[in-house]
Amino acid sequence: EIVLTQSPGTLSLSPGERATLSCRASQSVSSNYLAWFQQKPGQSPRLLIYAASNRDGGVPDRFSGSGSGTDFTLTISRLEPEDFAVYYCQQYGSPPGTFGQGTKVEIK
Amino acid sequence: QMQLQESGPGLVKPSETLSLTCTVSGFSISSAYYWGWIRQSPGKGLEWIGSIHHRGNTYYNPSLQSRVTMSLDTSKNQFSLNLASVTAADTAVYYCARGVSSISAAGLWGQGTRVTVSS
Repeated sequence: EIVLTQSPGTLSLSPGERATLSCRASQSVSSNYLAWFQQKPGQSPRLLIYAASNRDGGVPDRFSGSGSGTDFTLTISRLEPEDFAVYYCQQYGSPPGTFGQGTKVEIK
Repeated sequence: QMQLQESGPGLVKPSETLSLTCTVSGFSISSAYYWGWIRQSPGKGLEWIGSIHHRGNTYYNPSLQSRVTMSLDTSKNQFSLNLASVTAADTAVYYCARGVSSISAAGLWGQGTRVTVSS
């Protein structure tokens, strides 16, 4: 199965700053079927990005995804207070779908 | 507006079968989509358990395949998960979700239900 490694483990930033999160796969992700999820405490994950770069419905345009093959990035252009959360990547093109261990974006 | 809601026992004894149901409202599960289960634990993080197509085809994580069964009950607009021979390692929050497959990401999740395996 494909192993996803997210970095950094924790990102300490201030509101208004830019956040760049990385997800690296142990082998190429089929069809670039890579998703990003946001999870806040006590809530279920929320889909932000699918197929590497497509925003899900209702997701603000400050969230963007990029990358292909084995290297993917989630960028939050300007952090809003509600964006401080844990972010997970998931590849779903090669069963079993696997998740990264998460990056926590915390307030500096 | 489509919503998913998990239900089932919060405590299961070791070696017994964990059974959960996901009730879908606002959409007929027999019309479209894959429907699936994902669990989350502090030790293993998020783990895809498996999915079932609206026509009934199932796909399971190989690591759990020997113990997992999923099914649809279109009359009740529900789908279910059975996980046999549970151990403490199966303790987790279990989520049902829409769109869990090799061609679509999980676009809508239930709120999750916590299951503890303990005697």
